Amino acid sequence: DTAVSQTPKYLVTQMGNDKSIKCEQNLGHDTMYWYKQDSKKFLKIMFSYNNKELIINETVPNRFSPKSPDKAHLNLHINSLELGDSAVYFCASSQDRLAGGPFLNEQFFGPGTRLTVL
Amino acid sequence: AQRVTQPEKLLSVFKGAPVELKCNYSYSGSPELFWYVQYSRQRLQLLLRHISRESIKGFTADLNKGETSFHLKKPFAQEEDSAMYYCALHGSSNTGKLIFGQGTTLQVKP
Repeated sequence: DTAVSQTPKYLVTQMGNDKSIKCEQNLGHDTMYWYKQDSKKFLKIMFSYNNKELIINETVPNRFSPKSPDKAHLNLHINSLELGDSAVYFCASSQDRLAGGPFLNEQFFGPGTRLTVL
Repeated sequence: AQRVTQPEKLLSVFKGAPVELKCNYSYSGSPELFWYVQYSRQRLQLLLRHISRESIKGFTADLNKGETSFHLKKPFAQEEDSAMYYCALHGSSNTGKLIFGQGTTLQVKP
C-alpha cells in the first residue's frame, strides 16, 4: 500500500533514555514533516524537510534531532527523554506546490507513534 | 502572529441535526484554510480546503475574511461524522507549515 508509515507504533521508555522514531513515505513526495500532539490533542509542527533539506525548525529543544537520509525517510531522534516529551508524534508528507500553483498540497499523515516517558 | 482558534473542545449533537464547527484565524495576509479530520483509529486526513470550494461528505466551509472565520457546516449530521476535526491555516511562507487549531471533537448521538 502507498502510505506514510511510522515505527514503532508505541514506545515506552524511562526518563533520560535516547530513542528514535522512523518515518517512511512511498508517495514520491518531496516534503516531510514531524508534528507533536500533546495530551490535550493540540497538534503542532516541529520540523519539515524538503528534499533532505531542513526548511522548518520550530522552537523545539535541541534534544530533538531530525534526520533525513533521503527524501522518502525522515527520522526523529530524541536524546535524554523527559516526562514532558510524552505525546503522539505524527509524521506527514506532501508534494511540493507547483511553481506559481494556486494552493498548498494536501499533507498525508502517518498513523502516529505514542511515546510514553516514565 | 498566525493563530487558529477552535472555541469548542466538544460538540455533541443528535443525528439529523445541523452541525457547525467554529474556526477563527488570525493572519494579516491571504491565508489558505483547511479542515482535517481524524476518525477513531484512523489517520488524520484532509476533509476540505477553502480554495476548492467543494462539499465533502456533505460538509462545506466558507472563508469569511471580514470575520476571519472558516466554520465547517453540515445540514444533517450522521453518526459516522463523529470524529476529531482540526482547522488549519497556511500562511504565505510557502514552506508548507500548517498552523492547527486545538481541535473539536464532534459527537453525533443516535
